[in-house]
Amino acid sequence: GEDVEQSLFLSVREGDSSVINCTYTDSSSTYLYWYKQEPGAGLQLLTYIFSNMDMKQDQRLTVLLNKKDKHLSLRIADTQTGDSAIYFCAESRTGGSYIPTFGRGTSLIVHP
Amino acid sequence: KAGVTQTPRYLIKTRGQQVTLSCSPISGHRSVSWYQQTPGQGLQFLFEYFSETQRNKGNFPGRFSGRQFSNSRSEMNVSTLELGDSALYLCASSLYQPQETQYFGPGTRLLVL
Repeated sequence: GEDVEQSLFLSVREGDSSVINCTYTDSSSTYLYWYKQEPGAGLQLLTYIFSNMDMKQDQRLTVLLNKKDKHLSLRIADTQTGDSAIYFCAESRTGGSYIPTFGRGTSLIVHP
Repeated sequence: KAGVTQTPRYLIKTRGQQVTLSCSPISGHRSVSWYQQTPGQGLQFLFEYFSETQRNKGNFPGRFSGRQFSNSRSEMNVSTLELGDSALYLCASSLYQPQETQYFGPGTRLLVL
């Protein structure tokens, strides 16, 4: 099965908060990332969190990490139509030749 | 500092042809990874190069190959194209290892007819 799982779709109203969830399986994960992909574009790094942190806030973005449950979430406050995109969760770890693992992406649709 | 650039942005080929895609990493970044993105399979790792050597390889057939030059620029080549090779090919660079924060280019959209 997949090492990183995300729900496929999320629909929110403009101005509301969005919460995108991600679960991973490997407790050795050291870095956890959120990327944003707009139509026809590459992946844009939004934010990341180290596994020794519980929370990280960056303007409208809040990342929460529950290591016990291997659960990562991205909260976008005051969601705007420009936030409509696909959001990818990814995990990585130090050492060896490990390649980061990406989730399948969550399509966020923001409607007026 | 300029971001990761990829050329060409769009490409149309026919089955059986071959294609070469190019990636210029962020200045100072020495690790370049390639990914294939399709609606059905998501983001799949192709290979990673560092100091002109392929250091990691994903589970793709030998038709997919790559190389890296001394200035860290990288190319990937797909020979004997198949319809299923139609995808967005993304290049990502990081300082030394793919485990570090990766920065992605805009991708090359390949359509095989």
